[in-house]
Amino acid sequence: DTGVSQDPRHKITKRGQNVTFRCDPISEHNRLYWYRQTLGQGPEFLTYFQNEAQLEKSRLLSDRFSAERPKGSFSTLEIQRTEQGDSAMYLCASSSGQGARLDTEAFFGQGTRLTVV
Amino acid sequence: GESVGLHLPTLSVQEGDNSIINCAYSNSASDYFIWYKQESGKGPQFIIDIRSNMDKRQGQRVTVLLNKTVKHLSLQIAATQPGDSAVYFCAENIGDYKLSFGAGTTVTVRA
Repeated sequence: DTGVSQDPRHKITKRGQNVTFRCDPISEHNRLYWYRQTLGQGPEFLTYFQNEAQLEKSRLLSDRFSAERPKGSFSTLEIQRTEQGDSAMYLCASSSGQGARLDTEAFFGQGTRLTVV
Repeated sequence: GESVGLHLPTLSVQEGDNSIINCAYSNSASDYFIWYKQESGKGPQFIIDIRSNMDKRQGQRVTVLLNKTVKHLSLQIAATQPGDSAVYFCAENIGDYKLSFGAGTTVTVRA
């Protein structure tokens, strides 16, 4: 158990519905990341928070996606008007650090498996 | 067992043998690397990391080697066990906040 908790573990939704996922990072970690992983591929970066500030967003994060980390602790990832192409594993990771780059261990949660039908 | 060349998607190894998983990274600016193990239905599990000022780092039953000249990273697993069966990813950081992952190598341990 890495200490990063994600909820729910699985979500099945109908196309067009909105979904929200939650991530609780390791408590002392100030950095939080969201990644997406499709079958047979490595994780792809979506977005990054340092404390409550969202510092970077991937081009993969369309305007239907929004992420928040309001108090610098847990984070939520919302997908509006889901499409079948959104079906994937959504992974959250956390790490510590103060510099301008990732240079310490990043630990992942178990992920939320989203299936859009 | 060893995955040779730039990348082989699968590696089959006899239980008790040593495994070598190879990874070619793309960016010469990358200076921090992590190996992850991912079992089916689970998130990536941190195994070991290495910074570019090192050539080798050892953990429990694992060793990571870094060759910056040819941009190559390898993970060696000693005395491979059935519980080592998983997909292994190398990830690189190019100096910003994110990790870029390779395609992964599926390791199957034969009893």
